[in-house]
Amino acid sequence: GAGVSQSPRYKVAKRGQDVALRCDPISGHVSLFWYQQALGQGPEFLTYFQNEAQLDKSGLPSDRFFAERPEGSVSTLKIQRTQQEDSAVYLCASSGDRANEQFFGPGTRLTVL
Amino acid sequence: QKEVEQNSGPLSVPEGAIASLNCTYSDRGSQSFFWYRQYSGKSPELIMFIYSNGDKEDGRFTAQLNKASQYVSLLIRDSQPSDSATYLCAVIYSGAGSYQLTFGKGTKLSVIP
Repeated sequence: GAGVSQSPRYKVAKRGQDVALRCDPISGHVSLFWYQQALGQGPEFLTYFQNEAQLDKSGLPSDRFFAERPEGSVSTLKIQRTQQEDSAVYLCASSGDRANEQFFGPGTRLTVL
Repeated sequence: QKEVEQNSGPLSVPEGAIASLNCTYSDRGSQSFFWYRQYSGKSPELIMFIYSNGDKEDGRFTAQLNKASQYVSLLIRDSQPSDSATYLCAVIYSGAGSYQLTFGKGTKLSVIP
């Protein structure tokens, strides 16, 4: 079946602009995660949803980062007033009954100029 | 600070040899352990998971877990050039109520034909 999809795949923003990144999880997957991956590093956790509830947002780096999943399916990660240090690949992952086993989407590469 | 440590490599092995990838973690409360493969420019792909001490085999891959030593390894038998990628070790810590993955920085593996 279809895997996790993300859009856009690439995004270039000028410093100070707001951006919105979308994630479509695998159909029926209850859990959804956002990670940030800088060049040469492993992914770092940002936030976790179970259905529409955001159960953990401890990894969000600042109050400029906001995530939502209003109907328990599609999720949007929003970054306000982007800064150059926000440049990274943003990965979305979803999992089903076995919340441990997470499957990643292709990511959105964000470049802030 | 929960940490996952990996040798960044690169690790070079000849085709057909066994590749051995190692990972240590800092928190004894860790519950679940994962190996992801990441090709350049692609997203992480789950290849193995292990929850109990000992070995777990899946095809050419064997994951080994030693909780007393806080050590996880991945063996790849009969290495192929297509195995050349970065291998990410990840753990989930118990008790947080969240299933966030904590990743190491990854080990880059090159299989030489």
